[in-house]
Amino acid sequence: SQTIHQWPATLVQPVGSPLSLECTVEGTSNPNLYWYRQAAGRGLQLLFYSVGIGQISSEVPQNLSASRPQDRQFILSSKKLLLSDSGFYLCAWSEGWDRGRNTEAFFGQGTRLTVV
Amino acid sequence: AQSVTQLDSQVPVFEEAPVELRCNYSSSVSVYLFWYVQYPNQGLQLLLKYLSGSTLVKGINGFEAEFNKSQTSFHLRKPSVHISDTAEYFCAVTLPMYSGGGADGLTFGKGTHLIIQP
Repeated sequence: SQTIHQWPATLVQPVGSPLSLECTVEGTSNPNLYWYRQAAGRGLQLLFYSVGIGQISSEVPQNLSASRPQDRQFILSSKKLLLSDSGFYLCAWSEGWDRGRNTEAFFGQGTRLTVV
Repeated sequence: AQSVTQLDSQVPVFEEAPVELRCNYSSSVSVYLFWYVQYPNQGLQLLLKYLSGSTLVKGINGFEAEFNKSQTSFHLRKPSVHISDTAEYFCAVTLPMYSGGGADGLTFGKGTHLIIQP
């Protein structure tokens, strides 16, 4: 069966410090991968998605970047954090296009980021 | 582009009472619809999904939802709620590949906080 791992679970970082959040998926190949941010009372905002190694699409211009160095690894980064980057970050995966499907997404447990 | 509206930000319900969480979507083509549940400080868990076929969909934890194409709705229901159902519930939509859907994932509503009162 497929599993998704996301870490760390919580993170407190000072303003101006770098960020690296990691997500890995097991039990599938060539998944679509996603990073969402959830702010209180505002639902989920799609930040980045990837359909393959090195292929990143950005939905919202911001202080963050994403990379996919391996098929089942997705990394969210920042060079200098802002206070406004605080939030709950969720990684997700779905079946890739080579399976001819476009259905549900499966989520990691999330990372609570607090920028101080 | 498709969109989702969850009409209630909070729904308080007494334990063992029935509940309905409302979801309306906007799309000019066929869609897939989903309900997810999120417990505090956790990720989202899929409750149920509508892809095609029967408009009444049954999910986990006793929840069900009915797809109504004419009213563009996908309301979530449970006949008797428990304290453990206290959580945030999200409705989401995506386009099937045959409707031109891409890999840009699901579009979510803003969520409904279900509060169960003893």
